[in-house]
Amino acid sequence: DAKTTQPPSMDCAEGRAANLPCNHSTISGNEYVYWYRQIHSQGPQYIIHGLKNNETNEMASLIITEDRKSSTLILPHATLRDTAVYYCIVRGQGAQKLVFGQGTRLTINP
Amino acid sequence: GAVVSQHPSRVICKSGTSVKIECRSLDFQATTMFWYRQFPKKSLMLMATSNEGSKATYEQGVEKDKFLINHASLTLSTLTVTSAHPEDSSFYICSARKARSGLDQPQHFGDGTRLSIL
Repeated sequence: DAKTTQPPSMDCAEGRAANLPCNHSTISGNEYVYWYRQIHSQGPQYIIHGLKNNETNEMASLIITEDRKSSTLILPHATLRDTAVYYCIVRGQGAQKLVFGQGTRLTINP
Repeated sequence: GAVVSQHPSRVICKSGTSVKIECRSLDFQATTMFWYRQFPKKSLMLMATSNEGSKATYEQGVEKDKFLINHASLTLSTLTVTSAHPEDSSFYICSARKARSGLDQPQHFGDGTRLSIL
């Protein structure tokens, strides 16, 4: 599976959009981009995933560049409860397991 | 939903004790479940892949005799930490994928078990 690179930490003001970047320059054509988050002392929570097209659900939007080498997770109106570590993971079509990197520690400030 | 339940959420026991952790998929069947461990301020590390009705597949460096995995049904996998020692203290997390799901379906995680060995 392709490796991902994320900034170790980010801050965002409550009520603003939080944009979390992820680089996956070695991604191959059949690999999906997944986003999970982990709030302190809990298990990871699935947020969203995509292959080529941009995706949106009730939690977030996922913007994937045309060359698929990077993506951005957008939390449109961040709240204090969105403070967590966010993981961007690339998973191959034939692979079952998820390999977690270090993620981005997002802090939402009041 | 796709709910995964872990039990217990926290356990404290003496060195040398064996500890069993359960992972259940509550509203779906899971042919495959995964076990992770996480040390403080570190990321999740995959320990093993648990397959219903067959032997688990362990990641490199994980002792299979130390961490026994049983996946006897489509809704239950167990991890037993045998003869636990203080260095086994960690946060153990399981996840599951729906049976017969497409290759792009997400895994769903339990809330973890915090194991402390005295």
